[in-house]
Amino acid sequence: EPEVTQTPSHQVTQMGQEVILRCVPISNHLYFYWYRQILGQKVEFLVSFYNNEISEKSEIFDDQFSVERPDGSNFTLKIRSTKLEDSAMYFCASSVQGAYEQYFGPGTRLTVT
Amino acid sequence: AQSVTQPDIHITVSEGASLELRCNYSYGATPYLFWYVQSPGQGLQLLLKYFSGDTLVQGIKGFEAEFKRSQSSFNLRKPSVHWSDAAEYFCAVASLIHDMRFGAGTRLTVKP
Repeated sequence: EPEVTQTPSHQVTQMGQEVILRCVPISNHLYFYWYRQILGQKVEFLVSFYNNEISEKSEIFDDQFSVERPDGSNFTLKIRSTKLEDSAMYFCASSVQGAYEQYFGPGTRLTVT
Repeated sequence: AQSVTQPDIHITVSEGASLELRCNYSYGATPYLFWYVQSPGQGLQLLLKYFSGDTLVQGIKGFEAEFKRSQSSFNLRKPSVHWSDAAEYFCAVASLIHDMRFGAGTRLTVKP
């Protein structure tokens, strides 16, 4: 069964550094999403992406964040200058038709020291 | 905007006992509703979902949920809990296109 994959599974970075989290969505999917889960808290929506542009973003998704689909398979989340509070699990998701049928990846745990 | 409330932060049940986890949603149209389970340090596993039709939906691992429009609820149930069911459970509501909103989660502890 096709699945969403994410790399790396765990990333440790120093405050102020740039990080790029990578996701490979399911191949025929058209909608892409990033979510964040701070340890012990709920999963929060960050951004949705369709037709090579952001379709919606939350208040969390400020200028420090950006997303890109650099080629036909990858979907990336970049954090320009990481802060301690960016430490979280980041989940990528994709769907064929919309938010109601998303498939989640296993997540990338980001630790900012 | 859609939102989800899970009133119980933590629930403890004995192994073999029945379980009900509560979820209330707020959404202007017919919602798409989901329950996910998350073990510590792991990703999200979809237990079941409701789009339309029969309001009682069956999921994996013996779970079921009932959609009650009049109460804006989508409670998760299991008749007999197993120790392996101990985890965090998230209710979520999605719009047609844009995003999925999650509840704060309910942590389930199972006593032997």
